Amino acid sequence: AQSVAQPEDQVNVAEGNPLTVKCTYSVSGNPYLFWYVQYPNRGLQFLLKYITGDNLVKGSYGFEAEFNKSQTSFHLKKPSALVSDSALYFCAVRPHNFNKFYFGSGTKLNVKP
Amino acid sequence: DTEVTQTPKHLVMGMTNKKSLKCEQHMGHRAMYWYKQKAKKPPELMFVYSYEKLSINESVPSRFSPECPNSSLLNLHLHALQPEDSALYLCASSQPRTSGGKGYNEQFFGPGTRLTVL
Repeated sequence: AQSVAQPEDQVNVAEGNPLTVKCTYSVSGNPYLFWYVQYPNRGLQFLLKYITGDNLVKGSYGFEAEFNKSQTSFHLKKPSALVSDSALYFCAVRPHNFNKFYFGSGTKLNVKP
Repeated sequence: DTEVTQTPKHLVMGMTNKKSLKCEQHMGHRAMYWYKQKAKKPPELMFVYSYEKLSINESVPSRFSPECPNSSLLNLHLHALQPEDSALYLCASSQPRTSGGKGYNEQFFGPGTRLTVL
């Protein structure tokens, strides 16, 4: 069965500090990996994706993610957090041969001033 | 235009009403999706249309009826809903997987319709 895990319901970080939001997956084959952010009462916004190539992917708003095939992980990172980064973050995976996206349970990021 | 629009933004309906949610995109995407999202939970896939044909139905109750009139529009017809159907309904679009296994583009989401069933 395909699954995506975000082990932390909530991550708290001080403004200016680095942040990491974790994601691991169990999907057959070589899936495509995505991160989305959702602000209250809004749709999901695409942040970045890994398809192939360099394991470190850079995306919008200074976010980046590191793909680790052996650990089947795709952790989201940012060197210096902003208060405006506070939101709900979802990891998503799409099998390469199937047009369905599997979402993690979401992680609420709180950045304190 | 990289936007997915949804109407209405809010909808309140009784259990005997019939209503429709609408979604539109002009990015040339040929895959469109309906999701249901409860508060602080991940989106739950309901339906996927690929090239205007229903390709995935996640065992959704028949009181939800999707329709894809053309490549830019996606509707969700609602009838005899239950209070537990109250949620944020999200539409998304992407390029679909092609027969060669490619087509790995991300989904673009609309802002959603906040549905309340009384």
